[in-house]
Amino acid sequence: ETGVTQSPTHLIKTRGQQVTLRCSSQSGHNTVSWYQQALGQGPQFIFQYYREEENGRGNFPPRFSGLQFPNYSSELNVNALELDDSALYLCASSLDRSSYGYTFGSGTRLTVV
Amino acid sequence: KQEVTQIPAALSVPEGENLVLNCSFTDSAIYNLQWFRQDPGKGLTSLLLIQSSQREQTSGRLNASLDKSSGRSTLYIAASQPGDSATYLCAAMEYGNKLVFGAGTILRVKS
Repeated sequence: ETGVTQSPTHLIKTRGQQVTLRCSSQSGHNTVSWYQQALGQGPQFIFQYYREEENGRGNFPPRFSGLQFPNYSSELNVNALELDDSALYLCASSLDRSSYGYTFGSGTRLTVV
Repeated sequence: KQEVTQIPAALSVPEGENLVLNCSFTDSAIYNLQWFRQDPGKGLTSLLLIQSSQREQTSGRLNASLDKSSGRSTLYIAASQPGDSATYLCAAMEYGNKLVFGAGTILRVKS
């Protein structure tokens, strides 16, 4: 399978709830990164996973956590949702943390009400 | 801390015009610089990637240049078409493989 697939495409949650977003990386890519894109802004780096270990984290609180699985799929979990968590969440995969560039998925639009 | 700025924030041009989008970054210690296209509410499509050792890359009507010493990159679009209307984002890859994005340039090509 080629490309990066994210699910769900849209999600509405209530403040205080927890959410799990999923990503299936491009075949052969062992590095996955997650980004948050608020409306009208560029994406902001949340964290990166390489071979199932966290490999860098941006300026996000611990209630943002992730997992990467042996089949290169990954999850982004957000606890205690806040209204400001409403955003487009993007998953990107690459090969071996390399500088060959990232392939992005279409994103999950999360709305917190 | 790396900061990426894109100018202009928005641009409206008639079809057929050649145009230049600008991107500047504050820290020249980058792995590469990547240009993306984003359609409304959608994910990112990679357009061009310039490695730190390169000066430019070309794909069809697109040409991107990189000047690390001045902290600048430009994306040149030749003979613009209405289908080019989108938001264009540049991103600098820092050591540690983190992409730092600009806020984007919203391009509208009028037919």
